[in-house]
Amino acid sequence: GESVGLHLPTLSVQEGDNSIINCAYSNSASDYFIWYKQESGKGPQFIIDIRSNMDKRQGQRVTVLLNKTVKHLSLQIAATQPGDSAVYFCAENFSNQFYFGTGTSLTVIP
Amino acid sequence: GAVVSQHPSWVICKSGTSVKIECRSLDFQATTMFWYRQFPKQSLMLMATSNEGSKATYEQGVEKDKFLINHASLTLSTLTVTSAHPEDSSFYICSARGRAFTSSVEKLFFGSGTQLSVL
Repeated sequence: GESVGLHLPTLSVQEGDNSIINCAYSNSASDYFIWYKQESGKGPQFIIDIRSNMDKRQGQRVTVLLNKTVKHLSLQIAATQPGDSAVYFCAENFSNQFYFGTGTSLTVIP
Repeated sequence: GAVVSQHPSWVICKSGTSVKIECRSLDFQATTMFWYRQFPKQSLMLMATSNEGSKATYEQGVEKDKFLINHASLTLSTLTVTSAHPEDSSFYICSARGRAFTSSVEKLFFGSGTQLSVL
């Protein structure tokens, strides 16, 4: 996977509200996408994935939406909790390689 | 789900010593493993890609003699930071690409990371 070290955009939400984290991917031929959550001092954790033949996939409190027309991926977290505070980033699979977005730092305000 | 075990989780060492970090895929065979470096509040920076039994491919600007990568088997890759200096202090993360036995899709799984502090 390739990525570039950049400072992360941030998102602050009130506890209990819904969060929407966005990701623009680069290659229209990418066929598989993953969202990861990374807490401070830990490695990234797999949250949810979606294949390019789907527009939406739901998990527990999370929903991923895929808009292939504009190459956009979003992660929706319902009823955001303090434990959701972390960095979230997406990955796209293209030509057997994974490419990462820069990530978004989510802060949940109690 | 598939698990990637990374060890150690924290290392404090004196300048000039070498540090080895291990990355193991526990319940799947990793065809490819990746090593990343991450600074606080920044995204992952890919350092190198390793395939089992072959030499690692390093990203531009990463010294291959400084960061030695060995991928001796389909379940183990190691990163050795040779003659570490304070500027090498960082969070190092590995990932492994493979297919868990319950899945038909090849996924990317991450280790828990290693915080290296060089005094």
